[in-house]
Amino acid sequence: SQQGEEDPQALSIQEGENATMNCSYKTSINNLQWYRQNSGRGLVHLILIRSNEREKHSGRLRVTLDTSKKSSSLLITASRAADTASYFCAPKNTGFQKLVFGTGTRLLVSP
Amino acid sequence: EAGVAQSPRYKIIEKRQSVAFWCNPISGHATLYWYQQILGQGPKLLIQFQNNGVVDDSQLPKDRFSAERLKGVDSTLKIQPAKLEDSAVYLCASSQMDRGPYEQYFGPGTRLTVT
Repeated sequence: SQQGEEDPQALSIQEGENATMNCSYKTSINNLQWYRQNSGRGLVHLILIRSNEREKHSGRLRVTLDTSKKSSSLLITASRAADTASYFCAPKNTGFQKLVFGTGTRLLVSP
Repeated sequence: EAGVAQSPRYKIIEKRQSVAFWCNPISGHATLYWYQQILGQGPKLLIQFQNNGVVDDSQLPKDRFSAERLKGVDSTLKIQPAKLEDSAVYLCASSQMDRGPYEQYFGPGTRLTVT
């Protein structure tokens, strides 16, 4: 199992702006997952990207994966105050490998 | 579908007391996880069950923490005796399987304060 490291640690933007956060990991993966945690809804799975995919979209979310650089990015377009949360990436190997969460990126979206 | 249920939502105890948390996973989910999340940190896996067998408990402080998943459905996590550093949110999660691209579904958590 391995831990993803999110960057930046904190990000503050205005509503309507885009937010980009990055994730780096160390060894090969089967897939990489992004989760969001806010005080109201707890920890929620956002999107999963497989190792053979380069980009994936879900609503206002866009995730990219570069396995050669062992990195992923999460883009939130047209941010809303409700996007205020901590975002965690979780790279996953095959088999019974646990998800190891880093400290996350704390996103603050101001009205 | 119903989500992962946890109880209680909040618990305050004194150090050296015991406490138990309960989790009911999503119906049909074979894998169940307990995480500890200390303020300002990401969740840390304490124990992982596949049906009613333990897959990973390498980070469970076994001198004081115990967990069981009877009949492969509900699970309980117990701390006895509690220490001040056990103050955290305890999250339960479940997934269809552990192998492969299955996301985890988390419950609302139990916030434990040890005084």
